[in-house]
Amino acid sequence: DQQVKQNSPSLSVQEGRISILNCDYTNSMFDYFLWYKKYPAEGPTFLISISSIKDKNEDGRFTVFLNKSAKHLSLHIVPSQPGDSAVYFCAAFARFDGANNLFFGTGTRLTVIP
Amino acid sequence: DAGVIQSPRHEVTEMGQEVTLRCKPISGHNSLFWYRQTMMRGLELLIYFNNNVPIDDSGMPEDRFSAKMPNASFSTLKIQPSEPRDSAVYFCASSWRGSNTEAFFGQGTRLTVV
Repeated sequence: DQQVKQNSPSLSVQEGRISILNCDYTNSMFDYFLWYKKYPAEGPTFLISISSIKDKNEDGRFTVFLNKSAKHLSLHIVPSQPGDSAVYFCAAFARFDGANNLFFGTGTRLTVIP
Repeated sequence: DAGVIQSPRHEVTEMGQEVTLRCKPISGHNSLFWYRQTMMRGLELLIYFNNNVPIDDSGMPEDRFSAKMPNASFSTLKIQPSEPRDSAVYFCASSWRGSNTEAFFGQGTRLTVV
């Protein structure tokens, strides 16, 4: 059963506009959330993260918002650029029983149209 | 640092054959993860190790799958016998267990079972 869900498999956005990628999770034990970006034929690379004690984290054009009550987070990219075209994975982390647990969503393919 | 190194990058094999995927984590990292990426399920966690010890293998799909980590710098994922439905991209990732840092991924092994 998916503990982290990305319900939109794809998203197309015009260059310069905002891209919003959404993610939902089910386990309230998750206390750290990450977004990864993946280009074809490469492994996912870390993009931005947020701790559960915050509701917003910003890094340049990328901002992640966390709504704990709704168990929802989103990634905003403003302004979107063609180089942002990639698959974006949401991930949730929790440490319990002394072990790391990192779960990923199914990914959203973002296409930024020039 | 060379990052997480996986080999081979591509593997094509016939159904019924044994397949071994290899991973060298980043030096100093003591958590290692094996993921499988498919279109339908995104990045699925198969198994992970902390300090070379398998912690959770509940994601391993069947007994045909096995993973080992004989030392801190090497891990293998074996499929025996392989089946066409095992075709996917398999990623290895490593992280430092002591903090909520992101996991670093290898470039993946694309497995095709014909």
